[in-house]
Amino acid sequence: AQSVAQPEDQVNVAEGNPLTVKCTYSVSGNPYLFWYVQYPNRGLQFLLKYITGDNLVKGSYGFEAEFNKSQTSFHLKKPSALVSDSALYFCAVRDQGTGRRALTFGSGTRLQVQP
Amino acid sequence: GAGVSQTPSNKVTEKGKYVELRCDPISGHTALYWYRQSLGQGPEFLIYFQGTGAADDSGLPNDRFFAVRPEGSVSTLKIQRTERGDSAVYLCASSPKGGLEETQYFGPGTRLLVL
Repeated sequence: AQSVAQPEDQVNVAEGNPLTVKCTYSVSGNPYLFWYVQYPNRGLQFLLKYITGDNLVKGSYGFEAEFNKSQTSFHLKKPSALVSDSALYFCAVRDQGTGRRALTFGSGTRLQVQP
Repeated sequence: GAGVSQTPSNKVTEKGKYVELRCDPISGHTALYWYRQSLGQGPEFLIYFQGTGAADDSGLPNDRFFAVRPEGSVSTLKIQRTERGDSAVYLCASSPKGGLEETQYFGPGTRLLVL
C-alpha cells in the first residue's frame, strides 16, 4: 500500500526566510510525487511533481522540491517566503508499481508566514 | 481555458436524504477522479473514470455512494440515505488521458453538510 507522512501540522516562518515543508512516502515500486497548495475555500492547486530525472524539481511561485530516494522524502522548499504563501500544503504519491491512478495524500501542513 | 467546475459549491441536506454532486472536467480530459476531504485531513480517493467507465471504484465507502459519467464528460456523484458522517468537501479532478505521470487538476469542491 502507498502512504504519505507530513510530520508537521504547522510550520511558522518569517517573511524573507527560507521555508521547508517535509514529506516522506512509502510505496512498493517507484513513486510519482506531487505537491499541492490549498487556500481557504478553494480547491487544490498543483505546484510541482517528480516523475523521473533530476532530483530537484522546480515548480510554480518559486517553489522547489528535492526527491531523495534513500530517505524516501520529497520536501518542499522556497528560498524566501512571502506572506501570501500562507496556506495548507499537501504532498501526494502514486505508485508506479501498482498502476493505480488514485493519489494518496498526506494530512497536510499549514504554513504560516509572518510579516 | 476553463478549469474543473463543480456544482453546487455548498449543499445542506437532512439525514436520510438523497444528494447529487456535479463535476464538469477540463474540456478534452478523458480521466476524471472524485475525492472526499474531511475536516483537517487530506483528500481521500473515491472513484476514477476513464471515459464513460469506472476504472477504479475501490474508494467508495459503501453502496450508498454511486457515480456516473454517461457521456464521458460531466460526472455526477450520488449519495443515498445521507448520514452525518458524509459531511465533507467533495473534490473532483481531471487529467488529459489518465496516464500515471499526469497531473490531476482539481475543482473548487462541493461542501456537503448533512444535518
